[in-house]
This record gives sequence, structure tokens and C-alpha cells, in this order.
Amino acid sequence: GAGVSQSPSNKVTEKGKDVELRCDPISGHTALYWYRQRLGQGLEFLIYFQGNSAPDKSGLPSDRFSAERTGESVSTLTIQRTQQEDSAVYLCASSLTGRTGTYEQYFGPGTRLTVT
Amino acid sequence: AQKVTQAQTEISVVEKEDVTLDCVYETRDTTYYLFWYKQPPSGELVFLIRRNSFDEQNEISGRYSWNFQKSTSSFNFTITASQVVDSAVYFCALRDSNYQLIWGAGTKLIIKP
Repeated sequence: GAGVSQSPSNKVTEKGKDVELRCDPISGHTALYWYRQRLGQGLEFLIYFQGNSAPDKSGLPSDRFSAERTGESVSTLTIQRTQQEDSAVYLCASSLTGRTGTYEQYFGPGTRLTVT
Repeated sequence: AQKVTQAQTEISVVEKEDVTLDCVYETRDTTYYLFWYKQPPSGELVFLIRRNSFDEQNEISGRYSWNFQKSTSSFNFTITASQVVDSAVYFCALRDSNYQLIWGAGTKLIIKP
């Protein structure tokens, strides 16, 4: 079946502009996660959705970052007034359940964001 | 606090050598899950294995094997007869009573032909 998809695959934007990153999880996966990965570094947790609600937004680095999920499916991560330090690969993952399950997360290919 | 340590930043071996990637974790929970993921140069993270805290049996999958030892809080990953296609960054991760995965910093594995 289809895996997690993300769009766009690459995004170059000017400092100060807003960007929207999209994630389509695997069908039926109730949990969805956003991570950020800077060049040569590990994964930095941003936000987690269980269904359409986000019980934990503690990883969002600033109030310029927001995310939403609708229909227990697609999620968008929005970065307002982008800064150069926002340049990174943004990864989305989904799993069958988040809170109590043991299910592994399946990752999308990521969106490479470059802020010039 | 939960923590995952992958002390080896980068390992370089010649093809066909065996190589072990170390992972040490910290958690106060008695129920937890450990994972290994592979991130090849293409960038997409690939799930390799999940192990729960009650199952200390070692696992072998082809050339890959995992050694889980609760006594030393380690979950090491060994690749036997390495191949160039094994070159990637490998991440170890811990999931405890919360939903988050706590990630190690990753080990970059370079297999030279």
C-alpha cells in the first residue's frame, strides 16, 4: 500500500516568507508526528497528533510554527516569517496508534526547506 | 529522564567486515520499546526492528542481528559481512510510557568497497 507522502519534496523560500508543508499519512494511521532534522544531526520532535488533536506541541521551536490535522488524515506544518535557522529537512511519520500502542512509526521522504 | 546514547558518531569499515553499532538507553519505566531505524543517503528513514522490554531474546534477520541486554541497558546492532549498500546513518530510539520516540544522535556507517 501507499506509504507516507510529503510535499513539496524541496522548498526554497526567502527569509520572512511563510511556508506550508504537507503530510499524507498511511491510511488508517491515527497517530502522526512531525520532526525536524538539521544537516548531519538527529531527529528533533516537533509535534504529535492523535486523531485531529495535538496533545503535545512542546517541541515546536517558536510561535512561528503551527500545525493542524484534518479528517484524521492530512496534516500541514506552517512556518511563518521563516528564518535561516529554519532550514532543515522536515519529516513526517505515522503509526497505527500513539498513546498506548507499540506500533512503529513509518516515515515520509521529508521536505527539504532552504531559507535564503 | 529518558535518553538514548549512540557514542559512535561515525564508523568506517571495509566491505565484508562485521560491524557493531552501540546503543545505550536510560529510562525509569519497566515497560518500554526499543527501535532501530536506517537512514540511507536518499534520506528516508526505514524501520528495522522493534523490541519490547520483556523480550530479551536476541534477534537475527539475515545479516542483521540485535543484542538486547537489560543489565547494561544496551541494544546493540551488528551487521555481518557488511556491504556497500549498508552505508547509512543508523538511529536507535526508545519509546517508554509516553508516545514519543527518544532518538539517539545516530551513527554514520561507511562501508568501503
